[in-house]
Amino acid sequence: EDKVVQSPLSLVVHEGDTVTLNCSYEVTNFRSLLWYKQEKKAPTFLFMLTSSGIEKKSGRLSSILDKKELFSILNITATQTGDSAIYLCAVNRPDAGNMLTFGGGTRLMVKP
Amino acid sequence: GAVVSQHPSWVICKSGTSVKIECRSLDFQATTMFWYRQFPKQSLMLMATSNEGSKATYEQGVEKDKFLINHASLTLSTLTVTSAHPEDSSFYICSARGPRDALSYEQYFGPGTRLTVT
Repeated sequence: EDKVVQSPLSLVVHEGDTVTLNCSYEVTNFRSLLWYKQEKKAPTFLFMLTSSGIEKKSGRLSSILDKKELFSILNITATQTGDSAIYLCAVNRPDAGNMLTFGGGTRLMVKP
Repeated sequence: GAVVSQHPSWVICKSGTSVKIECRSLDFQATTMFWYRQFPKQSLMLMATSNEGSKATYEQGVEKDKFLINHASLTLSTLTVTSAHPEDSSFYICSARGPRDALSYEQYFGPGTRLTVT
């Protein structure tokens, strides 16, 4: 059975701190890993990673994938209170209609 | 582009009644739509996948007779929660993917529907 595990479950930091969120996966047929940010409503797309070792960057957020060790990290530098959210990673299952299997999420709270 | 809407955004219903939730792709044709359920402080759990014009594929443990999914057009999928009970109270989110996303595998999420069954 496919498994996506995120850690930590929750994290409380202060503005300006840097955080690293982890996502490990065990899937029979991997194609891509996606990161989402969920605030009050539906998730918003952050990154999609398909190749190992290539960092994707968007402002203060960056992410990288290690297909050998089966994990990805999401880094947020100089955190702001607006970064408070649940961060979800998901793995694409190409053998099942490209559906996504989500991890449990990391709940990040950034205090002023 | 790639906007997905859901209606209603929230609904309260009495136990035993049925509720229909609509998911629409506003500016693209959604060949595949996904329905997720999210309980408080938990992650999204895929309920079913529906391809336009065919029957939905349900995940293990999801009752197909209770959660009726219809994807009759390329822009609309509906989820009907039949004979709803308090334990069905949850946040239901749909996502859609168009044919051009077959390579990117990106799904576009709707804003979600919060269902409360009293």
